[in-house]
Amino acid sequence: KQEVTQIPAALSVPEGENLVLNCSFTDSAIYNLQWFRQDPGKGLTSLLLIQSSQREQTSGRLNASLDKSSGRSTLYIAASQPGDSATYLCAVHNQGGKLIFGQGTELSVKP
Amino acid sequence: DAGITQSPRHKVTETGTPVTLRCHQTENHRYMYWYRQDPGHGLRLIHYSYGVKDTDKGEVSDGYSVSRSKTEDFLLTLESATSSQTSVYFCAIQAGIAYNEQFFGPGTRLTVL
Repeated sequence: KQEVTQIPAALSVPEGENLVLNCSFTDSAIYNLQWFRQDPGKGLTSLLLIQSSQREQTSGRLNASLDKSSGRSTLYIAASQPGDSATYLCAVHNQGGKLIFGQGTELSVKP
Repeated sequence: DAGITQSPRHKVTETGTPVTLRCHQTENHRYMYWYRQDPGHGLRLIHYSYGVKDTDKGEVSDGYSVSRSKTEDFLLTLESATSSQTSVYFCAIQAGIAYNEQFFGPGTRLTVL
């Protein structure tokens, strides 16, 4: 059974820092991996999707990497801003067509 | 926002009453999903649909049923609501045949007293 883990559960950094959020999964037979952002009381916003054949994807200050063989993905946020404060969720899309979520990392960026 | 709306956005109901949540999409996507989000459990799949009248169970389907009579609407029904079904419910669509990227609606906060 696929399990997705995100460490740390919470992270607080000063504004301007570069930071890395981690996601690990137990079954490497994935179709793709998706990173989401969730603001309090809101829905999920898709940030980046990495296909299983890809190593990384970039969008603005965000860069996501994927190492399928080791079951790991990272989300790199450059020059963090207070507006980046949110919960970040990683989810893997299994070959069976289901999206399995991690529990998320709650990020707080202090001015 | 992928054209997904959910109704109602908030609902308070009593144990034992039936509840129906609606998800509406405007872009004719084939795949639609219902998830629930709870502290300590994250997001879990309840049911999904891969076409009109084609549905299947997810991880936590007990106590829930779904229907999809037209492409744009996916209904989630709690036949007899229980307090354990107090949660935030999210609908999602899958866009892109090649990429299978999922996009989420704004959510419905359901409280069962």
